[in-house]
Amino acid sequence: AQKVTQAQTEISVVEKEDVTLDCVYETRDTTYYLFWYKQPPSGELVFLIRRNSFDEQNEISGRYSWNFQKSTSSFNFTITASQVVDSAVYFCALRGGYQKVTFGTGTKLQVIP
Amino acid sequence: KAGVTQTPRYLIKTRGQQVTLSCSPISGHRSVSWYQQTPGQGLQFLFEYFSETQRNKGNFPGRFSGRQFSNSRSEMNVSTLELGDSALYLCASSTGQIQETQYFGPGTRLLVL
Repeated sequence: AQKVTQAQTEISVVEKEDVTLDCVYETRDTTYYLFWYKQPPSGELVFLIRRNSFDEQNEISGRYSWNFQKSTSSFNFTITASQVVDSAVYFCALRGGYQKVTFGTGTKLQVIP
Repeated sequence: KAGVTQTPRYLIKTRGQQVTLSCSPISGHRSVSWYQQTPGQGLQFLFEYFSETQRNKGNFPGRFSGRQFSNSRSEMNVSTLELGDSALYLCASSTGQIQETQYFGPGTRLLVL
């Protein structure tokens, strides 16, 4: 069975602060894929990143960076110099094999101006 | 390329009625997945269709059903609506390969009175 845990339910930061969203996963598959999505108030989930289990390289995209560590089964997401537009719910997700995609419960990020 | 489209965007029904929601995937995508999102339960997987066949199914009662057509468009049906079915219903499409990302539509907000 697959499981994704996002222990942080809500986080509030002041604009320009850095913030890290945690994601811990469980799977028995040796090949699996991890995802992060952003859900702004409008409701549509926006894809941010996909990472496969064989690629532990960290990735940076502008103010966003992701840290994948198989040893701790974590796939954390950091926003540097947060902005008000970053306010949203962020979901971490996992897919192993042809199983369904399993989503975490989400972390609501509020960036205060 | 056009994104995932869902119709209708908003819907109000009364208990006991049935409802059909539609999802048109991104051109070339053969997999469509449906999710129910509520404040209390988060994102819950309903089912996934690939090439007109149900590939995965979540833990929902039989009142929830779906189908996929030869053009990959999908519909989900909820019969005998209950108040608890009020939710945002999200559709996601992908090519169907396990490594591929799911892209989400804007969702259908269903309110059951």
